[in-house]
Amino acid sequence: DAKTTQPNSMESNEEEPVHLPCNHSTISGTDYIHWYRQLPSQGPEYVIHGLTSNVNNRMASLAIAEDRKSSTLILHRATLRDAAVYYCILPNTGNQFYFGTGTSLTVIP
Amino acid sequence: NAGVTQTPKFQVLKTGQSMTLQCAQDMNHEYMSWYRQDPGMGLRLIHYSVGAGITDQGEVPNGYNVSRSTTEDFPLRLLSAAPSQTSVYFCASSLTGVAVRSTEAFFGQGTRLTVV
Repeated sequence: DAKTTQPNSMESNEEEPVHLPCNHSTISGTDYIHWYRQLPSQGPEYVIHGLTSNVNNRMASLAIAEDRKSSTLILHRATLRDAAVYYCILPNTGNQFYFGTGTSLTVIP
Repeated sequence: NAGVTQTPKFQVLKTGQSMTLQCAQDMNHEYMSWYRQDPGMGLRLIHYSVGAGITDQGEVPNGYNVSRSTTEDFPLRLLSAAPSQTSVYFCASSLTGVAVRSTEAFFGQGTRLTVV
């Protein structure tokens, strides 16, 4: 089963861009790369997903390496509300998610 | 449109007691799943369902049972609670499997369970 590797924690200053990396060297050719985040005491919420090309939405951008073995979630201007644990996720058992430990993002005012 | 609703939000059980965690969704999603999250850890898949009448085991199924009699509901049963089952439980639903097509999964707010 494909797994992901992320840094345990990162810090960013408020209103600066944040680049959250993820390695997924065993990804299969048809797996979508998903990013979710979990705010304190809440369930995970969707951020963005992609297959091969870079993706943008109102929350973030997703940059996917050409070989698909890594990706980067980009928050263009971090706010205090973006402090959360960010999970880079690949599909696993039963077409469900495999969650790693994620990256805990601290935003400094 | 309430999304994914979990009840109760908090529960304390004694060792050996049984209980059912409820999960309901109103989005007509075929896929539903249960995860547990221990302190400082990511979520781990317990059981999942790809449609009414169909369930299967995830990574950590021991000590839990599920059934899916309707599209909307996916209850999780703890048969004989143990302290090792102290955790936060999350239910999720999605229209399709998350690998096959681009799809978004919706998570409930969680049930915090303590077994003493």
